[in-house]
Amino acid sequence: GESVGLHLPTLSVQEGDNSIINCAYSNSASDYFIWYKQESGKGPQFIIDIRSNMDKRQGQRVTVLLNKTVKHLSLQIAATQPGDSAVYFCAENMNSGGYQKVTFGIGTKLQVIP
Amino acid sequence: KAGVTQTPRYLIKTRGQQVTLSCSPISGHRSVSWYQQTPGQGLQFLFEYFSETQRNKGNFPGRFSGRQFSNSRSEMNVSTLELGDSALYLCASSFDRSNTEAFFGQGTRLTVV
Repeated sequence: GESVGLHLPTLSVQEGDNSIINCAYSNSASDYFIWYKQESGKGPQFIIDIRSNMDKRQGQRVTVLLNKTVKHLSLQIAATQPGDSAVYFCAENMNSGGYQKVTFGIGTKLQVIP
Repeated sequence: KAGVTQTPRYLIKTRGQQVTLSCSPISGHRSVSWYQQTPGQGLQFLFEYFSETQRNKGNFPGRFSGRQFSNSRSEMNVSTLELGDSALYLCASSFDRSNTEAFFGQGTRLTVV
């Protein structure tokens, strides 16, 4: 069946280092993939997305890599800051019968050590 | 520009009761999606509304229902509440149905006792 999963439930990173959060997906028909950040007590916040016809996309301090061969998605955060501490979700979006269907992973908690 | 507003923020109900949650999307956004978030389960899609019509539905029982009004505001209803319905219910709005950049509200924390 369709699934989006994360390799590591918790990731601890030293402030200033780069963070890499990984995500595996199983549905090769997905149109695009999205990363969300959720801070405690808040709703998820869109970070960046990437379409299935791309393999890399960069934003401000973040880069998303898509490897369709192994169905793997990653989010790289450069120079991690304490404010980056949150739960990060990957999500895949698929057009199914004319409808958009978004499936979220469980999430990875990023802890930034000052 | 105001963000997505969900009311109430917190709610305590007893088993068997029903509850209605409200979501006001960002002005101009016409697509509203609802999600249930529980510890360890991540976000699970409930349903999506666009132009007052349910366009997509997740794998939840019929006790979960929703609707959207002409001003794009949406409500979801859960009848005959069960303990397992305790969760954070999140609403997300986007301009259209492509959902590339959905904006989430802060959610309604529902506790069923």
